[in-house]
Amino acid sequence: GAGVSQSPSNKVTEKGKDVELRCDPISGHTALYWYRQRLGQGLEFLIYFQGNSAPDKSGLPSDRFSAERTGESVSTLTIQRTQQEDSAVYLCASSLYSGDSYEQYFGPGTRLTVT
Amino acid sequence: AQSVTQLDSHVSVSEGTPVLLRCNYSSSYSPSLFWYVQHPNKGLQLLLKYTSAATLVKGINGFEAEFKKSETSFHLTKPSAHMSDAAEYFCVVSVQAGTALIFGKGTTLSVSS
Repeated sequence: GAGVSQSPSNKVTEKGKDVELRCDPISGHTALYWYRQRLGQGLEFLIYFQGNSAPDKSGLPSDRFSAERTGESVSTLTIQRTQQEDSAVYLCASSLYSGDSYEQYFGPGTRLTVT
Repeated sequence: AQSVTQLDSHVSVSEGTPVLLRCNYSSSYSPSLFWYVQHPNKGLQLLLKYTSAATLVKGINGFEAEFKKSETSFHLTKPSAHMSDAAEYFCVVSVQAGTALIFGKGTTLSVSS
């Protein structure tokens, strides 16, 4: 079946502009996560959505970052007034939150370059 | 607090020789542990996971890992490397279902012929 999809795959933007990154999770997955991967680094958690619960925003690095999710479907990560340090690959993952099920399925990522 | 340390940033092996990628973790709880692989320009793929069942976990593509609580380790091994194993490998910890995963910084595996 279809996996997690993300768009765009690549985004180049000028410093100070706003960007929106989109994630389509696997159908039926109730949990959705955003991570950031800087060059040569592991993934950093940004934000987590679970059903209709309030999102866990504890990983967002600044108030320039925000995310929304419509029900249990699409999510959008918005970065306002982009800075060069925002350049990274932004990865989305979804999981079927069910008891002990931990496995997160990752999308291919959006590579963001801020010039 | 939970954390993961991958002891080698880069490992180089010859095709057909064993692979060992080292990982140590720190957790106040009984963790679940994972290894993910990331091939160039591809998404992250789960190799294997430990969730408090058997301590020796077998994954895809001939990889396995052993959970050693006394050593707080979860090293990834494969008896014989293949060229297609060249990729970035991440050791990951999670302490609760549905929470964010905590990633190590990754180990780049190079395989030469």
